[in-house]
Amino acid sequence: NAGVMQNPRHLVRRRGQEARLRCSPMKGHSHVYWYRQLPEEGLKFMVYLQKENIIDESGMPKERFSAEFPKEGPSILRIQQVVRGDSAAYFCASSPRSGQGSGANVLTFGAGSRLTVL
Amino acid sequence: GDSVTQMEGPVTLSEEAFLTINCTYTATGYPSLFWYVQYPGEGLQLLLKATKADDKGSNKGFEATYRKETTSFHLEKGSVQVSDSAVYFCALHFRNNAGNMLTFGGGTRLMVKP
Repeated sequence: NAGVMQNPRHLVRRRGQEARLRCSPMKGHSHVYWYRQLPEEGLKFMVYLQKENIIDESGMPKERFSAEFPKEGPSILRIQQVVRGDSAAYFCASSPRSGQGSGANVLTFGAGSRLTVL
Repeated sequence: GDSVTQMEGPVTLSEEAFLTINCTYTATGYPSLFWYVQYPGEGLQLLLKATKADDKGSNKGFEATYRKETTSFHLEKGSVQVSDSAVYFCALHFRNNAGNMLTFGGGTRLMVKP
C-alpha cells in the first residue's frame, strides 16, 4: 500500500515561470491537504480539498496560487509566475474521510516537493 | 482560533541524555494531539498521538501525555540517540465547518551528539 506520493521531489524554476506540484493520496483516502514549509519555519496550512471540491483555502495566497483535486488523477498545486519567496518545501497529506472516528483525523504526509526559484 | 506553541530550538543534547520538548495548545473543545517527526530531507511522520485527556501516546521510546489542566502535550524520551536528530512538530486536530484540520507548532530541531 503505497503512501502519499508527491512529485517532483525537487523542482527548480526561474522567476516568472510556472510550478506544478502533484500529489497522489493514499489508496482509499479522499481528502487532500497542502502545507508549505518555508526554510527554518514550521508548516503552514494552505488548502484542503476533496475530489472536485475545494473545502478550505484560507491559507492560500490570493494571487498566483491554485489547487485542484480532479475526479481522476492526482491533486495539483499550481504556482504561476513564481518569485524567490515561493522557494519552500510543499507537503501534501491525505486522510480517509471527514468524520468521526480515530482514523479520520490522522493525516499521512508525503515526502514533499522542494521548490527552488532562481 | 486553535493554536499550538512549542519551544524553540535547536535543542542540543548528548547521546543518552533525557529529552523534553514542551508543547502547549489553545483550543475550544477537546482536540486530538499529535507529535510528528521530520528527519533530514524527508516528510513528516506521525510519531505518536493522544485523543483525550490523560491519554499517553508512546512510540520508539518517546512519550507524551495529554494534560487538559495545563493544556500541554510535552514530548519526552529517557535516553536519546544520534538517530533521533530531527525536527519535531506538535500538532492539534480540530474540526471546523470545512471538516478535519490540523494545525502545527513551529517545530523544534533536536540535535544529538555522540
